[in-house]
Amino acid sequence: GNSVTQMEGPVTLSEEAFLTINCTYTATGYPSLFWYVQYPGEGLQLLLKATKADDKGSNKGFEATYRKETTSFHLEKGSVQVSDSAVYFCALSDRIQGAQKLVFGQGTRLTINP
Amino acid sequence: DTEVTQTPKHLVMGMTNKKSLKCEQHMGHRAMYWYKQKAKKPPELMFVYSYEKLSINESVPSRFSPECPNSSLLNLHLHALQPEDSALYLCASSLLQSSYNEQFFGPGTRLTVL
Repeated sequence: GNSVTQMEGPVTLSEEAFLTINCTYTATGYPSLFWYVQYPGEGLQLLLKATKADDKGSNKGFEATYRKETTSFHLEKGSVQVSDSAVYFCALSDRIQGAQKLVFGQGTRLTINP
Repeated sequence: DTEVTQTPKHLVMGMTNKKSLKCEQHMGHRAMYWYKQKAKKPPELMFVYSYEKLSINESVPSRFSPECPNSSLLNLHLHALQPEDSALYLCASSLLQSSYNEQFFGPGTRLTVL
């Protein structure tokens, strides 16, 4: 079945550092890919998405490019802030029984120190 | 209105209690979802409703009973739960049953079963 693999955390960086969180997927067909962020005590928020190969999703300084050849969707940000501390989930969409199902990676906890 | 609301925010119940979780959205979304999230884990899909009809049940125990009274409301009825059911319960909705449309998540209900 379809699956998502994320780099294991936790990841700790200093403010203004460059961030990369790796995400690779296994899927039949061409699923849409998503990054969701979960701040402490909250639900998930969509950070960005890409629906086809070579699409680049971007939001709040974060970017990720849908790479079909490497089956990857790595999350990057040039200069992180303390407020970016959260858990980040990579996910792909899968259609099962006519409905959409999100397949999540295990999540990467990010801590940014001032 | 671009949010999914969930009530209550916190719930503590005994193993013999009956309680309900409520989810509401007014974005015109016709797909709604229940997820269970344990600490430090990604959300696990429980149920999917499409056009107010149950389309996916991920082999969830019958002590969890979903209900979709109309296109804006989703309930999860709880009865005779076990302590291992303690978790964050997330509701989500999406515009269409399509791989391209992101799911919007509510803030969750933190459930503790004593």
